[in-house]
Amino acid sequence: DTAVSQTPKYLVTQMGNDKSIKCEQNLGHDTMYWYKQDSKKFLKIMFSYNNKELIINETVPNRFSPKSPDKAHLNLHINSLELGDSAVYFCASSQGRGSRLGQYFGPGTRLTVT
Amino acid sequence: GQQVMQIPQYQHVQEGEDFTTYCNSSTTLSNIQWYKQRPGGHPVFLIQLVKSGEVKKQKRLTFQFGEAKKNSSLHITATQTTDVGTYFCAGGNDYKLSFGAGTTVTVRA
Repeated sequence: DTAVSQTPKYLVTQMGNDKSIKCEQNLGHDTMYWYKQDSKKFLKIMFSYNNKELIINETVPNRFSPKSPDKAHLNLHINSLELGDSAVYFCASSQGRGSRLGQYFGPGTRLTVT
Repeated sequence: GQQVMQIPQYQHVQEGEDFTTYCNSSTTLSNIQWYKQRPGGHPVFLIQLVKSGEVKKQKRLTFQFGEAKKNSSLHITATQTTDVGTYFCAGGNDYKLSFGAGTTVTVRA
């Protein structure tokens, strides 16, 4: 029944490591997003994908590489993790742009880099 | 780039009282969305406003979009403990939403 799911829910790792976060939506949406929420709860868009094509890349370091194997999945791989990468990462989806039904967010992945 | 400012950052409310959170943009918005995030949870879509001067109500919540489409407000009447959380406004163009910093609401019983 879960609309947007993410794995893992928690991720604790050391600086310099590489990690991936997976996202899947079963809503049939054609657009998916990655957001970063910092400790002050500020939500910032990182990437937008529409029909597997990258639409928005918000000046995110190239250590972050999203991949969309199909419309229902958008994964995020992070290389050479840094302390400043610690945050909650949310995946979201929507149908098209400017959808009146808004964006559906996943439960989030809390990443802690030590 | 587009920036959406939101005030206040924190709102401590006595149960039963009303409060308002405000959202302002440096540019004209095609639409404004509002989300609620409960503590430890994820943002949940509440509503989208599109038209200049639009007002929409959801039970005790009243959402307004300014005439110039540069500001918006959320007014909650008779606050309840279930209203606890952070309320975000977000201005959108195409595939990008710019979120305000959020108003975190706590309720005193």
